[in-house]
Amino acid sequence: AQSVAQPEDQVNVAEGNPLTVKCTYSVSGNPYLFWYVQYPNRGLQFLLKYITGDNLVKGSYGFEAEFNKSQTSFHLKKPSALVSDSALYFCAVRDITGTALIFGKGTTLSVSS
Amino acid sequence: EAQVTQNPRYLITVTGKKLTVTCSQNMNHEYMSWYRQDPGLGLRQIYYSMNVEVTDKGDVPEGYKVSRKEKRNFPLILESPSPNQTSLYFCASSRNPTDTQYFGPGTRLTVL
Repeated sequence: AQSVAQPEDQVNVAEGNPLTVKCTYSVSGNPYLFWYVQYPNRGLQFLLKYITGDNLVKGSYGFEAEFNKSQTSFHLKKPSALVSDSALYFCAVRDITGTALIFGKGTTLSVSS
Repeated sequence: EAQVTQNPRYLITVTGKKLTVTCSQNMNHEYMSWYRQDPGLGLRQIYYSMNVEVTDKGDVPEGYKVSRKEKRNFPLILESPSPNQTSLYFCASSRNPTDTQYFGPGTRLTVL
């Protein structure tokens, strides 16, 4: 079955510290992987995606993600967190039919000053 | 400005009263999709459309209808809303299903 797991409902980090938001996936074939961010009362905004190529993907707002095929993971990272990074983060994978994205349940990132 | 718009942004209605949530995109995207977001469940796809007059069911289509008569518009119709359809709804569009999806601002629906 195709699925995306975000094992942490919430991640807390102090401003200036590195952050990691975890994502693992299960899908047949080569995965197309995405990260989106949702700020309060806003729609989802695209951060980055992995389709092929370099396992380290760089995206918007200083975020990056590392694709690890052996661990079926696509963790989101940032070297130095900002309070403004506080938001709800979703990992997603293209489903096997290619007609939809399967989203994880989301991880709330809270960055304290 | 490239964007996806949804209306209304907030709606409170009663059981059984038909309603339509509009969605429009100005990016000439062929693919459009509707999702609902519920706490602890993430986003689940309701319906999608690969192009004009081509629509198909997503994971949770029961109680919903859609139409795609024009490329830019993809309205979501609830013929007889029920309380379990209380949710936050998002419309999204992209050039194709595997491309980056652009999301609308969301419609918060409450069915009493």
